[in-house]
Amino acid sequence: GAGVSQSPSNKVTEKGKDVELRCDPISGHTALYWYRQSLGQGLEFLIYFQGNSAPDKSGLPSDRFSAERTGGSVSTLTIQRTQQEDSAVYLCASSSLQGARTEAFFGQGTRLTVV
Amino acid sequence: GESVGLHLPTLSVQEGDNSIINCAYSNSASDYFIWYKQESGKGPQFIIDIRSNMDKRQGQRVTVLLNKTVKHLSLQIAATQPGDSAVYFCAVSSGYALNFGKGTSLLVTP
Repeated sequence: GAGVSQSPSNKVTEKGKDVELRCDPISGHTALYWYRQSLGQGLEFLIYFQGNSAPDKSGLPSDRFSAERTGGSVSTLTIQRTQQEDSAVYLCASSSLQGARTEAFFGQGTRLTVV
Repeated sequence: GESVGLHLPTLSVQEGDNSIINCAYSNSASDYFIWYKQESGKGPQFIIDIRSNMDKRQGQRVTVLLNKTVKHLSLQIAATQPGDSAVYFCAVSSGYALNFGKGTSLLVTP
């Protein structure tokens, strides 16, 4: 597609359940980021993938959060045993060159609500 | 770590006026700066970027000014239009991760 695609756009889950959020980056983009945006807040960095390098997971808030990127393209963010404080919009972005040195294109986000 | 803050959470301007949105950052090693616009229900959209070897960069109706001495960044929007109403974020990088401020909500009134 022409842009970064995220699915689902909305997800409501019960506390304690696991969820998977998907990101399809722009074709050819080697860098992929996940951010979390809580209501009225800025974007909180979660994880960064660049090519075949080991991902930077320094922003993941707990070991309940994990992410993978298969074949250098699609990425999945998994949250295990969801908690109410996990409710937020999860945004994925990709860029064409290494790191944040060029424009990062964002998807529409997945709005996660934990009830 | 990097601390990024915006000086004003909300800004109301009249249509046709110029808007100035400010941002401060803490890490003097930061060398790449981006302004994003986020409309309701959408992901952030790139507006303009600037690297630390520059003080000013202009786009269409937008200008970004960088003052590395006081670690301050601003976005100027000329002749603000109703379609400019959105939340504006500055993002700062000293590596690859972009650190975002909390955003300024710009409201353009007729």
